[in-house]
Amino acid sequence: ILNVEQSPQSLHVQEGDSTNFTCSFPSSNFYALHWYRWETAKSPEALFVMTLNGDEKKKGRISATLNTKEGYSYLYIKGSQPEDSATYLCALGGGATNKLIFGTGTLLAVQP
Amino acid sequence: KAGVTQTPRYLIKTRGQQVTLSCSPISGHRSVSWYQQTPGQGLQFLFEYFSETQRNKGNFPGRFSGRQFSNSRSEMNVSTLELGDSALYLCASSTEGRVQIETQYFGPGTRLLVL
Repeated sequence: ILNVEQSPQSLHVQEGDSTNFTCSFPSSNFYALHWYRWETAKSPEALFVMTLNGDEKKKGRISATLNTKEGYSYLYIKGSQPEDSATYLCALGGGATNKLIFGTGTLLAVQP
Repeated sequence: KAGVTQTPRYLIKTRGQQVTLSCSPISGHRSVSWYQQTPGQGLQFLFEYFSETQRNKGNFPGRFSGRQFSNSRSEMNVSTLELGDSALYLCASSTEGRVQIETQYFGPGTRLLVL
């Protein structure tokens, strides 16, 4: 059974702080690693889909890296803003079945 | 393009009843996946449909079923509801149905409460 772990479970930071979260996954049978942002009362929104070892992707102040050999991905937020407050989910596309396996998420709260 | 829509948004049922939830994907998307989220759990995969065929099913009892129509709209049905079925049910669509590597576009979810 493939298992995706995210840490920390929650994070409280001050506006302007930079922060990062971790997503760990089994490195065998890897196809892709997804990151989604889920704001309260909204739909999960895709941030990145990464497929290659060493991939680095960036969208504004948010960036992500991928290490498929050791089975982890980092998501970085530079200069956190209150509007960054959300749950950040990672999901593994791996194994023989056509589905995503999600972690339980990291809840980020940014205090003004 | 309009986003993924789900109806109804909220639903209250009693134990033993059955429920049908609907998901309309983004126009042109042929793959629809369904997920269940309960407190403390990540999104748990229920099933995935592509071109009216169920290709994958998660580890849920047979009370959970679904289907997809020729216009790619999908429904999921839960029969003989139990208290533990109270959850947020999300659907997501993608274009080519390669769920592992394609961006998934999520709907707002249906929140089901079973009393």
